[in-house]
Amino acid sequence: QQQVKQSPQSLIVQKGGISIINCAYENTAFDYFPWYQQFPGKGPALLIAIRPDVSEKKEGRFTISFNKSAKQFSLHIMDSQPGDSATYFCAASTTSGTYKYIFGTGTRLKVLA
Amino acid sequence: KAGVTQTPRYLIKTRGQQVTLSCSPISGHRSVSWYQQTPGQGLQFLFEYFSETQRNKGNFPGRFSGRQFSNSRSEMNVSTLELGDSALYLCASRSQGSGNTIYFGEGSWLTVV
Repeated sequence: QQQVKQSPQSLIVQKGGISIINCAYENTAFDYFPWYQQFPGKGPALLIAIRPDVSEKKEGRFTISFNKSAKQFSLHIMDSQPGDSATYFCAASTTSGTYKYIFGTGTRLKVLA
Repeated sequence: KAGVTQTPRYLIKTRGQQVTLSCSPISGHRSVSWYQQTPGQGLQFLFEYFSETQRNKGNFPGRFSGRQFSNSRSEMNVSTLELGDSALYLCASRSQGSGNTIYFGEGSWLTVV
């Protein structure tokens, strides 16, 4: 019940294309869903996050879509650029008590120039 | 504002030795959590500290321990190192005002030989 399943494991997209990464969770107590971007040799950096009271959140080229009934959420990167090539992690957490994050296994994105 | 600072960045230890990693959170952040990142297991939660108290602990053996000081700085210790402890150890900090958002440092790369 604590798992967050992320797919695909790797993704290759042409420059200007749309990158889509999906995550699914089981624990309905989760109420905070961030996405992190990690470049080689660096720590993960927060990209965008959503709470379950909204179905979509957009920040620039990055959009989170959230489906509460299906317990799924996804990251869409519009107009993907070579500089977006990184590993992306979804995560889930609860806002009560502990702030332990459960991370997906990561998606390695490569955007071809 | 300085980010999360972790030291050392890289270290090599021998099986059976112990290691201490240090983390200085973002100024004003009182919550510090630690994660282990490996290619096979992804990002896994180790423990979280708030105001010098451990609030939550992940599923790691007792060889993994941590503490937090009154200035919110934190250390984690791994005793009797095993080859499988080779990983990137990430520290993250959170402020009371940022909700659930955690901010990662660049990590400490530990290699056990």
